[in-house]
Amino acid sequence: GDSVTQMEGPVTLSEEAFLTINCTYTATGYPSLFWYVQYPGEGLQLLLKATKADDKGSNKGFEATYRKETTSFHLEKGSVQVSDSAVYFCALSNAGGTSYGKLTFGQGTILTVHP
Amino acid sequence: NAGVTQTPKFRVLKTGQSMTLLCAQDMNHEYMYWYRQDPGMGLRLIHYSVGEGTTAKGEVPDGYNVSRLKKQNFLLGLESAAPSQTSVYFCASDDPGEGTEAFFGQGTRLTVV
Repeated sequence: GDSVTQMEGPVTLSEEAFLTINCTYTATGYPSLFWYVQYPGEGLQLLLKATKADDKGSNKGFEATYRKETTSFHLEKGSVQVSDSAVYFCALSNAGGTSYGKLTFGQGTILTVHP
Repeated sequence: NAGVTQTPKFRVLKTGQSMTLLCAQDMNHEYMYWYRQDPGMGLRLIHYSVGEGTTAKGEVPDGYNVSRLKKQNFLLGLESAAPSQTSVYFCASDDPGEGTEAFFGQGTRLTVV
């Protein structure tokens, strides 16, 4: 079956540091890939997505590129802020584009950014 | 616009008790989902529905039942709670088709003692 693997956490950075959270996946066909963010005490919010190979998703300074050859979707940000402290989930949807709510999630990576 | 609302937000149950979690969405979405979130395991799909009156099993359906009698509501039931069902439960909804986005509720933290 489909699976998503994220880098081990937690990740602790100083403000303005560069962020990379690795994500690799296993899936049949051509899944869509997502990064969700969960701020403390809240539900999940879609951060960015990419629906086909070589697509780059971007939002709020975060970027991720759909690399089919390496089955990866690594999340990056050039300069993190304290407000970026949250849990980040990589996820895929393999419903053939019919739905993006039936998701397979990675285990989540806790990010803490210190001033 | 409330989006996806889950009720209750917190609950403590004794082993063997039953309860129902309610998910309500006001976006007229066709599809609704129940997930559970456990430490180190991400979110896992319990059950989902692709329309009023329909339900289907997800990855971890055992011990749970669901009903979608109205389009805007998706109920998750625990008939006989077990400590292994201690978790945070999230509901989500979306519409079919590319370019859509799944919206999540704020979660229900359930503890079974």
